Amino acid sequence: GAGVSQTPSNKVTEKGKYVELRCDPISGHTALYWYRQSLGQGPEFLIYFQGTGAADDSGLPNDRFFAVRPEGSVSTLKIQRTERGDSAVYLCASSIKWGGEAFFGQGTRLTVV
Amino acid sequence: QQQVKQSPQSLIVQKGGISIINCAYENTAFDYFPWYQQFPGKGPALLIAIRPDVSEKKEGRFTISFNKSAKQFSLHIMDSQPGDSATYFCAASGRTGTASKLTFGTGTRLQVTL
Repeated sequence: GAGVSQTPSNKVTEKGKYVELRCDPISGHTALYWYRQSLGQGPEFLIYFQGTGAADDSGLPNDRFFAVRPEGSVSTLKIQRTERGDSAVYLCASSIKWGGEAFFGQGTRLTVV
Repeated sequence: QQQVKQSPQSLIVQKGGISIINCAYENTAFDYFPWYQQFPGKGPALLIAIRPDVSEKKEGRFTISFNKSAKQFSLHIMDSQPGDSATYFCAASGRTGTASKLTFGTGTRLQVTL
C-alpha cells in the first residue's frame, strides 16, 4: 500500500473487554513498531518486530498487552481485560530495516469506558 | 525516565518569523535525531533528521542544529507559515540496547498567526 494503514481508526470498548488493533505496514518493510500516545504526550515505544519475531517488547506495560506478526507483514496488537488507563492513540510504524526511517500510520484511538 | 527533554511546550510565531524548538538528550548511545510533524488526527510524519557526524542539516525552510558536546539539538523553521501550525516532536535512537528504539520528546504545539 501507499502508507501504513491502521484499523479501526476509532475503537470504543467497555472496561474489561478484549480488543484487537490491526496494522498493515508499507509493502517490503521488514521492521514494524507499535507506539502508544497519550493526550499531550509524545509516542511511547511498546514493541518492535523484525520479520515475524518480536525483537524487543520491553515497552509493553504488562501482560495484558500482546502483539503478533505471524507472516512478517500485518501485525495485531491485542489488549486483554482493558482498563480506562489504556485509553490512548495506538500508533504503528514501519521501516525498510531496523533503524531506518520510520513511517507512521494515522493511529487507532482507543477509548475504554 | 525521560531521556529526551523538549521545549517550549507551545509556541506562537507570526507568519514569516522563525520558529525555534529545542531538545536535550541524556543517553550518549543515541546517534539518530529525527524531527516529526503531527497534525490533529494524523500520525507523526518525518520532517528532517540528523546524525551526529554533522552539526547542521538544512532541508528547505527546516534546519536542524546539533551540538554533540552539549547533547542538544534544535529545529529552526524559517519563514514560518500558517500551514506549519502543528505539533512537533523531537526524537532520538541508537544502534544497541535500550537506545535502539525511538524515544520521543513531549512535543511542541506551534501556532503560526497571520
